[in-house]
Amino acid sequence: GESVGLHLPTLSVQEGDNSIINCAYSNSASDYFIWYKQESGKGPQFIIDIRSNMDKRQGQRVTVLLNKTVKHLSLQIAATQPGDSAVYFCAETINTGNQFYFGTGTSLTVIP
Amino acid sequence: EPEVTQTPSHQVTQMGQEVILRCVPISNHLYFYWYRQILGQKVEFLVSFYNNEISEKSEIFDDQFSVERPDGSNFTLKIRSTKLEDSAMYFCASSEDRRYGYTFGSGTRLTVV
Repeated sequence: GESVGLHLPTLSVQEGDNSIINCAYSNSASDYFIWYKQESGKGPQFIIDIRSNMDKRQGQRVTVLLNKTVKHLSLQIAATQPGDSAVYFCAETINTGNQFYFGTGTSLTVIP
Repeated sequence: EPEVTQTPSHQVTQMGQEVILRCVPISNHLYFYWYRQILGQKVEFLVSFYNNEISEKSEIFDDQFSVERPDGSNFTLKIRSTKLEDSAMYFCASSEDRRYGYTFGSGTRLTVV
């Protein structure tokens, strides 16, 4: 089956620094990827998505990079704030399907 | 901003009992999903639902589970004869178009004792 994994289970950054969260995926057929943020006691919250015909996409303070050659996805958060503290999941899917496959998650802690 | 609403937020049930988890998807969404997250583990797909029928289900979604859209607004997950290992957060999600990401609810924490 598919496997989505994260390189680092925890990440601590100083407030104001940039954060980079990485994700490896194993299914080369996956063509749509999403980063979700999950705060304690809440459901996953959509942050940003990217399709396989792109290698970079920017949002507000966030950038997702996709490297299909090595099947790697990253989330960059600029000027990290305490409110960014959460668990971040990458999720992948094949667009013809219905389900997303989630990674284990990286816990981001922002130090004030 | 539209939300997916789930009730109850926490459900405790005796092993062997049936539970129904309720969800109100976003009103103009057509695709509905249930996922679960066992504590400390990945979010796992259970089932997707479209046009009043299951469109895809995982191996977790066995005969113990069923879904229903009893009216125009609710989407329910029924677990018959709950087991201890069913304890998890259950997330409902909906989307307007399955080519895009979902909106998740805040989840129901199910504890089977």
